[in-house]
Amino acid sequence: AQSVAQPEDQVNVAEGNPLTVKCTYSVSGNPYLFWYVQYPNRGLQFLLKYITGDNLVKGSYGFEAEFNKSQTSFHLKKPSALVSDSALYFCAVRDISQHNTDKLIFGTGTRLQVFP
Amino acid sequence: DSGVTQTPKHLITATGQRVTLRCSPRSGDLSVYWYQQSLDQGLQFLIQYYNGEERAKGNILERFSAQQFPDLHSELNLSSLELGDSALYFCASSVANRFMDEQFFGPGTRLTVL
Repeated sequence: AQSVAQPEDQVNVAEGNPLTVKCTYSVSGNPYLFWYVQYPNRGLQFLLKYITGDNLVKGSYGFEAEFNKSQTSFHLKKPSALVSDSALYFCAVRDISQHNTDKLIFGTGTRLQVFP
Repeated sequence: DSGVTQTPKHLITATGQRVTLRCSPRSGDLSVYWYQQSLDQGLQFLIQYYNGEERAKGNILERFSAQQFPDLHSELNLSSLELGDSALYFCASSVANRFMDEQFFGPGTRLTVL
C-alpha cells in the first residue's frame, strides 16, 4: 500500500535560516509525490510535485523539494525562511493501487513555526 | 484563491440530523474529490467522482453519500450525524483523472455536531 510519513510534528526555525520539512514514502512502482500547505482556517494550497525527471523540484513561494529514490524521501526545503511561511505542511502520494483513480494519501502534517 | 468553492463555510447541527455540503470545481475540471480532516484521523480521502461517475471510495461511512451532477458540481450528504463526524470537509478538483495532475482544494466546510 502507498503511504507517506512525516516524522516531525513541528519544525521551528529562525527567520532567514534554511528550513527542511521531512517526508518519506513507501510505494509500489513509481512515486508521484506532492507537497501542500495549509494556512489557518484555509484550504490546502498546492506547492509542488514530483512526477519524473529532475530530482530537485521547484515550486511556489520559493520552496523546492528533493526527491531521493535510494532514501525514499521527498524533503521540502527553502533557503531562507519567512515568518509568513509558518503553516501546516502536508506531504502526499498519489494512490494508483486501484484502477482508474488518482486519490491522494496524505501524511500527518508538519507544523512549521518561523520565529522573527 | 484556488477556484474551487464550497458552501456553507460553517455548519452547526445536532446529532441524528442530515446535512448537505456543496462543492463547485474549477472551471473545466472533471474530477471532484472529497476529504475529511479531523484531529484524530488527519486528512482522509472519502470519495472521488469523474465526469459524473463514482471512481473511488475511501474511508467513507455508509451514512455518507455523494454525487456529481451534470454541471459537475458535487454534493456530499451526511446523515444520522454523530459527534465524531465533526470535522473540516474539503472538496478538491483536478482537470482529469490523471496521476500527474495536482488537485486544487476549496476552503472547506467546518461541520460541528452538537
